[in-house]
Amino acid sequence: EAQVTQNPRYLITVTGKKLTVTCSQNMNHEYMSWYRQDPGLGLRQIYYSMNVEVTDKGDVPEGYKVSRKEKRNFPLILESPSPNQTSLYFCASSGEVTGDEQYFGPGTRLTVT
Amino acid sequence: GQNIDQPTEMTATEGAIVQINCTYQTSGFNGLFWYQQHAGEAPTFLSYNVLDGLEEKGRFSSFLSRSKGYSYLLLKELQMKDSASYLCAVPDNYGQNFVFGPGTRLSVLP
Repeated sequence: EAQVTQNPRYLITVTGKKLTVTCSQNMNHEYMSWYRQDPGLGLRQIYYSMNVEVTDKGDVPEGYKVSRKEKRNFPLILESPSPNQTSLYFCASSGEVTGDEQYFGPGTRLTVT
Repeated sequence: GQNIDQPTEMTATEGAIVQINCTYQTSGFNGLFWYQQHAGEAPTFLSYNVLDGLEEKGRFSSFLSRSKGYSYLLLKELQMKDSASYLCAVPDNYGQNFVFGPGTRLSVLP
């Protein structure tokens, strides 16, 4: 089954404790992206990647890192989480053709206390 | 930069037709997407418009006017399961950096 998986689905952590949210897709997609979703603000893009070793900042990259060492994986790293990073996070992937739909993972609900 | 506007909430009756509008300002244009998102779930793709006009797909249709920076999603024969948020999104010139609108929460009443 074609899918995007994220882990963990739920995470409660404390300020400053480094964490990684994993994202993996099995569709051989070139493009992968991370979003955060907050009430009233909608989905905002954090980082995206056009292919292995190619990443770029979205609209809200501060406090986040990503890496794309393999085509299928695109982890999101929070080196020193803060309470304002409490949010619902989605990973997505799509083919390289403009106009291809994005397939979203199930989401990771992160709470930073 | 890109800016997108949508109504926050709409209510309609089962069996009716509803139109959800989206206006956008972009420095370039590379198409417009509509996604559906049920509460607590991931967004799922509905439509993509890059040329002016209406694209029909079953009960859902999407319209685009590039000169007016305007799109709408038309939902016919509304069903209870259509209660969800509808997100409008535009990519940048290279199709990479996406900006989503705030979403329109649609409630379908019996």
